[in-house]
This record gives sequence, C-alpha cells and structure tokens, in this order.
Amino acid sequence: AQSVAQPEDQVNVAEGNPLTVKCTYSVSGNPYLFWYVQYPNRGLQFLLKYITGDNLVKGSYGFEAEFNKSQTSFHLKKPSALVSDSALYFCAVRDDAGANNLFFGTGTRLTVIP
Amino acid sequence: DSGVTQTPKHLITATGQRVTLRCSPRSGDLSVYWYQQSLDQGLQFLIHYYNGEERAKGNILERFSAQQFPDLHSELNLSSLELGDSALYFCASGGDQTYNEQFFGPGTRLTVL
Repeated sequence: AQSVAQPEDQVNVAEGNPLTVKCTYSVSGNPYLFWYVQYPNRGLQFLLKYITGDNLVKGSYGFEAEFNKSQTSFHLKKPSALVSDSALYFCAVRDDAGANNLFFGTGTRLTVIP
Repeated sequence: DSGVTQTPKHLITATGQRVTLRCSPRSGDLSVYWYQQSLDQGLQFLIHYYNGEERAKGNILERFSAQQFPDLHSELNLSSLELGDSALYFCASGGDQTYNEQFFGPGTRLTVL
C-alpha cells in the first residue's frame, strides 16, 4: 500500500528566501508523485509531477521538486518565496494497486512573511 | 480555472437529510474522482468513475453513493447525514492515465447542523 508523509504542518519563510516543503513517500512500484496547492476557499491546483526521467522537475509559478529515490523523498522548492505563495501544499502519490486515484499527505501550510 | 465545475458551492442541511452534489468534468475527460476534505481525516479518495462505470472505491461510506451519467457529469449522493459528514467535497477529472494529473473543481462545502 502507498502512503505519503509531510512532516511539517507549518513552514514559515521570509519573502525572497528559498523555500522547501518536504514530502516522503512509500509505494510498492514505480512512484507517480504530484504536488498541489490550495488557496483559501479554492480547489486544489496542480503544480508539478514526477513520472520518470530527470530528478528535478519544474512546475508552475516557479516551483520545482527534487525526486530522490534512495531517500524516497519528493521535496517542493522555490528559489525565492513570494507573499502570494502563502497557501496549503499537498504532496500526493498515485495508487499503486492499479487504480488512478491519489493519496494525499496531510498538507503543509506555507506562510511567507513580508 | 480548472474547467471542472461543481454545484452547489455551499450546502447547509440537517442531520438525517439527503443531498446531491454535482460535478461536470473538463471537456474531453472521461474520469471523475470524488474526494472528501475534512479537518480530522484530511483529503480522502471516495470513488472513481470512468465513462459511466465505477472503477475504484476508497473510504466511501455505505450511506454515500455516486453515479456518472452519459454526458459524463457525476453526482455524489449523501444520505442519512451526520454531523461528521460536514466537509469539503471535491471532484476531479483527468487522470485517465496513471501519469496524468487530475484537475480539481472548486468544491462543495457541506455543513450538517
């Protein structure tokens, strides 16, 4: 069975500083990993995904994520945080039993301090 | 805008009642997924339909049911509602292939009083 862990409920970072939101996963087969962002009173917006290939994946709004197979991690990063990046971030992994639904982590609330 | 629409946006009802949530997928998407987001359970997968057929079930209660119609819109029916059913209900479309991302609607916020 698959699982996703986001060890930090809350991450605070100063505007202009780099940010990292952590995610580790467990799957029985090939990992298909996703990051989504949720703004207040909004649905989830897709940021990026890892399917195969390069370990550094680039996504929307300047975000990127680094896939590390040996550490089973898929951390979300951005070189320079914006106040508008403040939101709830979810890491997700695809079901590894053949279905296509997503299993989500518990979410990390990112606050960018002006 | 993801292209996925959900109605209603808000729903307030009483315990024991039944409600229907509606979702229209993005044009061309055959899959509809339903998820529940609550404070204590987080984001949980409920059920997946593909082109009118049920494909997978997650942590969906027996009081809940869903269907997907020939025009591909989907409805999630929640009956005998309890206080604990209060949550945000999202539908998502896309993701027909394992490597495709899903696109989420804005959600329906259900409040059971």
